[in-house]
Amino acid sequence: GAGVSQSPSNKVTEKGKDVELRCDPISGHTALYWYRQSLGQGLEFLIYFQGNSAPDKSGLPSDRFSAERTGGSVSTLTIQRTQQEDSAVYLCASSLGLAGEGQFFGPGTRLTVL
Amino acid sequence: QKEVEQNSGPLSVPEGAIASLNCTYSDRGSQSFFWYRQYSGKSPELIMSIYSNGDKEDGRFTAQLNKASQYVSLLIRDSQPSDSATYLCAVRGAGNMLTFGGGTRLMVKP
Repeated sequence: GAGVSQSPSNKVTEKGKDVELRCDPISGHTALYWYRQSLGQGLEFLIYFQGNSAPDKSGLPSDRFSAERTGGSVSTLTIQRTQQEDSAVYLCASSLGLAGEGQFFGPGTRLTVL
Repeated sequence: QKEVEQNSGPLSVPEGAIASLNCTYSDRGSQSFFWYRQYSGKSPELIMSIYSNGDKEDGRFTAQLNKASQYVSLLIRDSQPSDSATYLCAVRGAGNMLTFGGGTRLMVKP
């Protein structure tokens, strides 16, 4: 079956512009996660969706970042007024949402803010 | 604050040797433990999970868990150059969130 897909794979934008990153999780996975990974760094948790529950937004670095998950499936991460420090690879992962389940990652979106 | 610690490396081993990757965690309530492999420029790939104390083997990989010592490790037998990557340890507590370590970079030299 298909894995987690993300689009676009690469995004170059100018400072101050808004960007939208899309994640399509594995079919049937109720949990969806967004992470950020800067060059040579570890994974930074951003936000977590589980079913119809309110998302865990505790990792969002500023109010310029927001995310939605429509219909319990596709998610969009929006970054408003992008800054150069937002440049990173944005990774989406999904899981069945069961205790003990691992997360499966998409290929990521490489964001470059000029 | 829940923490997962790994030596950043690089850990360099010769081809055919056993690579031993280690991880410690701070949350005693942690229930599930995972190892991910991340090749340069790629996303993390789940390679092992372990839930109970002891060893779990899958091919050339063995995960070891010691909850009393809050320690989890990954052994790679007969290491190959294709095993060269960064290995991420991840720990789940009571919920569905994973806490990731910073990763250990493994280099297998021919």
